[in-house]
Amino acid sequence: AQSVTQPDIHITVSEGASLELRCNYSYGATPYLFWYVQSPGQGLQLLLKYFSGDTLVQVIKGFEAEFKRSQSSFNLRKPSVHWSDAAEYFCAVSFNDYKLSFGAGTTVTVRA
Amino acid sequence: GAGVSQSPSNKVTEKGKDVELRCDPISGHTALYWYRQRLGQGLEFLIYFQGNSAPDKSGLPSDRFSAERTGESVSTLTIQRTQQEDSAVYLCASSWNARRGTGELFFGEGSRLTVL
Repeated sequence: AQSVTQPDIHITVSEGASLELRCNYSYGATPYLFWYVQSPGQGLQLLLKYFSGDTLVQVIKGFEAEFKRSQSSFNLRKPSVHWSDAAEYFCAVSFNDYKLSFGAGTTVTVRA
Repeated sequence: GAGVSQSPSNKVTEKGKDVELRCDPISGHTALYWYRQRLGQGLEFLIYFQGNSAPDKSGLPSDRFSAERTGESVSTLTIQRTQQEDSAVYLCASSWNARRGTGELFFGEGSRLTVL
């Protein structure tokens, strides 16, 4: 069965510190990979996506994600977090870009 | 509006009652999805509509759940004889033709259902 694992339920990080959110998937082939973010009072929004090619996904809002085929991982990173990055982050995968399977999410708290 | 609109935003009901949740997708989006998010869990796929094709109902948890969509517009998710385990946030999303699109789903803010 297809599955997506986000091992960290909650992460607390100081403003200005680095952040890494982990995501692992179990599939036979390389899926399409996504990170979505849900800020308080807002719907889920796409943050990053990976279809093929370079393992490092382009930087958006300071975030980057690295695909590692050997580890079946698609971790999200940000070198220096801002208070506005406090949100819930969901990793998602798809084989045919129509049905997404989501992880349980990681809640990020940013302390001053 | 410009985004996906869902109503009601909150619904409290008694066990055994029927509820209807509505989703108004972004104009022009042919694909529409319903997901369920239980507390502390990831999003659970429920159903997918694509244009006039037969919907993918493979995620509906029981026959108490049903959904309809009129053409490429509004969708209604109906839960009959609600149970306490149906308490969750029900999320609707829409996208361009998923088979040719980027995989980006646009989500509404969800309908929070509480079954007492």
